[in-house]
Amino acid sequence: DTEVTQTPKHLVMGMTNKKSLKCEQHMGHRAMYWYKQKAKKPPELMFVYSYEKLSINESVPSRFSPECPNSSLLNLHLHALQPEDSALYLCASSQALFRGLETQYFGPGTRLLVL
Amino acid sequence: GESVGLHLPTLSVQEGDNSIINCAYSNSASDYFIWYKQESGKGPQFIIDIRSNMDKRQGQRVTVLLNKTVKHLSLQIAATQPGDSAVYFCAEKAGGTSYGKLTFGQGTILTVHP
Repeated sequence: DTEVTQTPKHLVMGMTNKKSLKCEQHMGHRAMYWYKQKAKKPPELMFVYSYEKLSINESVPSRFSPECPNSSLLNLHLHALQPEDSALYLCASSQALFRGLETQYFGPGTRLLVL
Repeated sequence: GESVGLHLPTLSVQEGDNSIINCAYSNSASDYFIWYKQESGKGPQFIIDIRSNMDKRQGQRVTVLLNKTVKHLSLQIAATQPGDSAVYFCAEKAGGTSYGKLTFGQGTILTVHP
């Protein structure tokens, strides 16, 4: 089983709203990732968690706040977003960050529209 | 900076033909490469991967070739089917401090005509 689930599938929010994206995996993976993908572009890494600790932050604006409450869950809290933040937000997981265990498996994504 | 790129942004083939999708990379420190397939409205789907100590790896109907001398990666799809139509991304991972970070190429749109 290589399933990563994401909710919601679609989200529309205003610039003053607070919302959260949720990602879940039950593969026992200990590394989880958030990516942002604009239309007709490749995914861009935002955050990496390893064993529930933030490992990489790719200089993402503070209006995006990740959280890893346990080894199966990854959240992305959104606040005061801009219209240019509209994109497909992808979650991925891998067994770990170590060599030989780093194959990343992606969820279906949350399509976010900021009005 | 370092980048992963593709030679052809689009590829059209007839059903049953073999397809070859190419990818150039520039980071000689990259030690792991993955091909993903992304269908419209879906997340990237893992197809096949290869490590830098190999030059060829085969899966079901797919083969990945790695040429480290010219920093080139290719994905071969045998007997291409309409269901193979999608955007294909190559991705690289460098070792060292970039551990965990995949850098994606720009993608190739594969269209398979029945």
